[in-house]
Amino acid sequence: AQSVAQPEDQVNVAEGNPLTVKCTYSVSGNPYLFWYVQYPNRGLQFLLKYITGDNLVKGSYGFEAEFNKSQTSFHLKKPSALVSDSALYFCAVRDTANFNKFYFGSGTKLNVKP
Amino acid sequence: GAGVSQTPSNKVTEKGKYVELRCDPISGHTALYWYRQSLGQGPEFLIYFQGTGAADDSGLPNDRFFAVRPEGSVSTLKIQRTERGDSAVYLCASSLRGTGDTEAFFGQGTRLTVV
Repeated sequence: AQSVAQPEDQVNVAEGNPLTVKCTYSVSGNPYLFWYVQYPNRGLQFLLKYITGDNLVKGSYGFEAEFNKSQTSFHLKKPSALVSDSALYFCAVRDTANFNKFYFGSGTKLNVKP
Repeated sequence: GAGVSQTPSNKVTEKGKYVELRCDPISGHTALYWYRQSLGQGPEFLIYFQGTGAADDSGLPNDRFFAVRPEGSVSTLKIQRTERGDSAVYLCASSLRGTGDTEAFFGQGTRLTVV
């Protein structure tokens, strides 16, 4: 069965420090992996995706994510956090065997303190 | 360009009533998705349309829920005999194609409250 786990409900970092938001997945086939961000009372905004190729993908607002097939992980990273990065982050997966739907994790709240 | 538009943004209804939630996808997007998000949870899949047809409705919780997309553009999610447990934010998304490598673009959602 397909699933996504975000083991941390909340991540706290100081502005200027690097941040990591963790995500692991389980799929039957090969994964397509996505990160979305949700600001209060807003819809989900697409950040980046991994489809194939280079394991390090770069996305919007300076975010990047690293695909690790052996660890079935797709952690979101940013070298230097901004207070404006504070939001709810969701990892999602689609399965190449059945890509009708995105499976989302439960979300991680990122708090960046000045 | 315009993104995915959902109306209304908020809907309060009494238990047992019928509601319709509307989604206007991005123009030209053939794939459309409905998700439901409860407080503190990630979005849960309800139904996926490719064009006019519901290609996957496996996420609809029961037969009180129904969705249509008659002309392959606007979609309406319909909930009959609403229950308090139906209260959630209903999200609509569209993507250019239904292939797995394409990202979906989400609307702001309709917050449904059943009292």
